[in-house]
Amino acid sequence: ETGVTQSPTHLIKTRGQQVTLRCSSQSGHNTVSWYQQALGQGPQFIFQYYREEENGRGNFPPRFSGLQFPNYSSELNVNALELDDSALYLCASSLSQAPEAFFGQGTRLTVV
Amino acid sequence: QQPVQSPQAVILREGEDAVINCSSSKALYSVHWYRQKHGEAPVFLMILLKGGEQKGHEKISASFNEKKQQSSLYLTASQLSYSGTYFCGTEIGNTGNQFYFGTGTSLTVIP
Repeated sequence: ETGVTQSPTHLIKTRGQQVTLRCSSQSGHNTVSWYQQALGQGPQFIFQYYREEENGRGNFPPRFSGLQFPNYSSELNVNALELDDSALYLCASSLSQAPEAFFGQGTRLTVV
Repeated sequence: QQPVQSPQAVILREGEDAVINCSSSKALYSVHWYRQKHGEAPVFLMILLKGGEQKGHEKISASFNEKKQQSSLYLTASQLSYSGTYFCGTEIGNTGNQFYFGTGTSLTVIP
């Protein structure tokens, strides 16, 4: 068990709705990254937060946004949900100076 | 920017060896290797930095050729517990904020 927890574990939303996913980082980790993993695919990098600031972003539209809080927990917000947003969303926490990232179990989002 | 892995899938008998390759079209700062079992989160195996170093983790080792922008993962004397999908992850630049997972290699070890 890595100490990274995500909530909820499963979620069903309707197209056009908005969703917030949450991630609690491993104790002491100041960096969190979010990934989208479609079925049978590798995780796709969405963005990274370091000390409450966005620190890098992959090829995702602006309707994917995030927040990192002073306690280093994090949220991923997705607006105007589309069917293709259905996927497993993973967060990973790490120390900025250490390369190893610890993943949470993910949130399975289904958009209908 | 997504690294390409080969093979896509491999089936081994216990005790056999396997090599998984990861190739990028971009210059790499580092390569990470992860294993993901079905329904579980990816688990970090090792990281290799620029310099062509080779690392080992039990009977799993890896190499990184920065000139060729390639990395290979070597699994020797495979065990049933090695089954899963292996992903390489690549950093472009040393800021650590642009990270891309490869296409994945499904490895199945049978008795």
